[in-house]
Amino acid sequence: GAGVSQSPSNKVTEKGKDVELRCDPISGHTALYWYRQSLGQGLEFLIYFQGNSAPDKSGLPSDRFSAERTGGSVSTLTIQRTQQEDSAVYLCASSPGLVADTQYFGPGTRLTVL
Amino acid sequence: GENVEQHPSTLSVQEGDSAVIKCTYSDSASNYFPWYKQELGKRPQLIIDIRSNVGEKKDQRIAVTLNKTAKHFSLHITETQPEDSAVYFCAPGGSNDYKLSFGAGTTVTVRA
Repeated sequence: GAGVSQSPSNKVTEKGKDVELRCDPISGHTALYWYRQSLGQGLEFLIYFQGNSAPDKSGLPSDRFSAERTGGSVSTLTIQRTQQEDSAVYLCASSPGLVADTQYFGPGTRLTVL
Repeated sequence: GENVEQHPSTLSVQEGDSAVIKCTYSDSASNYFPWYKQELGKRPQLIIDIRSNVGEKKDQRIAVTLNKTAKHFSLHITETQPEDSAVYFCAPGGSNDYKLSFGAGTTVTVRA
């Protein structure tokens, strides 16, 4: 079946602009996660959804970052007033959500803020 | 929150030798212990996992061992091959929710 998909695959924007990143999880997966990975670094947890609610937003770096999930499926990560330090690969993952389980990652969105 | 440490941060091995990466965690309630592999430019993918009711699991050349008392688990790769070169992440979880706490990663290089 289809895996996790993300769009766009690449995004170049100017400092100060807003961007929206989209994640389509595997059908039926109730848990959805957003991570950020800077070049050569590990995975930085941003936020996780269980259904449409976000029990843990502790990783969002600032109030410029927000995320929502609708219909228990698609999620959007929005970064307002982008800064150069926001440049990174943003990875989305989903899991069945019944217990802590395998997370299936999307290909990521590479964000470059000029 | 969970504190996770991986050692070593980099590992270079001769092709055919074994590689071992250790992951130490802090939350004694964690009950799920996966390892992910990320090749250059690719997404992380699960390679093996273990739950707390099992002490060891093996899948061909890779194995994971768990010591719940000491709060650490290890990834073992035998007969390493060039395609094993990648970054490996441990990600314990399962104590209170569905989150996994990723370690900082270990860069493994297999020398031909």
